[in-house]
Amino acid sequence: AQKITQTQPGMFVQEKEAVTLDCTYDTSDPSYGLFWYKQPSSGEMIFLIYQGSYDQQNATEGRYSLNFQKARKSANLVISASQLGDSAMYFCAMRASQGGSEKLVFGKGMKLTVNP
Amino acid sequence: DSGVTQTPKHLITATGQRVTLRCSPRSGDLSVYWYQQSLDQGLQFLIQYYNGEERAKGNILERFSAQQFPDLHSELNLSSLELGDSALYFCASSVVAGEGQETQYFGPGTRLLVL
Repeated sequence: AQKITQTQPGMFVQEKEAVTLDCTYDTSDPSYGLFWYKQPSSGEMIFLIYQGSYDQQNATEGRYSLNFQKARKSANLVISASQLGDSAMYFCAMRASQGGSEKLVFGKGMKLTVNP
Repeated sequence: DSGVTQTPKHLITATGQRVTLRCSPRSGDLSVYWYQQSLDQGLQFLIQYYNGEERAKGNILERFSAQQFPDLHSELNLSSLELGDSALYFCASSVVAGEGQETQYFGPGTRLLVL
């Protein structure tokens, strides 16, 4: 079974600094996908970035990048130049293929607070 | 705005009651997923529909059911509600962005409070 582990319950960072959010995963599938979602206090889940297990390069989307270390089974999210609006819960997720379904398995999330 | 709509945004009801949550996927998306987010269980997959057919089931209680209609909107029905059903219920629809990359876009959620 697939499992996502996010051990940092919360982090604080100063505005304009970079921050790394940790995510480790466990799966026996040779092909998988890893996602990061952001959940602000308003509650919606916002897709940030995707990394495929066979992708040769680390994914990047604007200020977001994914530090993918396959051998270590980690997929850490790096946010460069933090902004106040980055304060939110962040969830790492893995695509778990099941009989044609591509459901997501989520970690418990971690709370990021960006201080001015 | 993800393009996925959910109604209602908030729902307050009593134990034993039945409610229906509605979801409209992004234009062109055939898959609809339902997730439950609660404080104790986190985010959990409930059920998926693809083009009107049930594709996969997760940790969905027998008191819960769902369906997807010909226009692709989906409804999640929760019956005999208990206090523990209070949660944020998300609908997501998916698009295949590339080979093997299916990204799910989430609606704003329905916050259910059972009193």
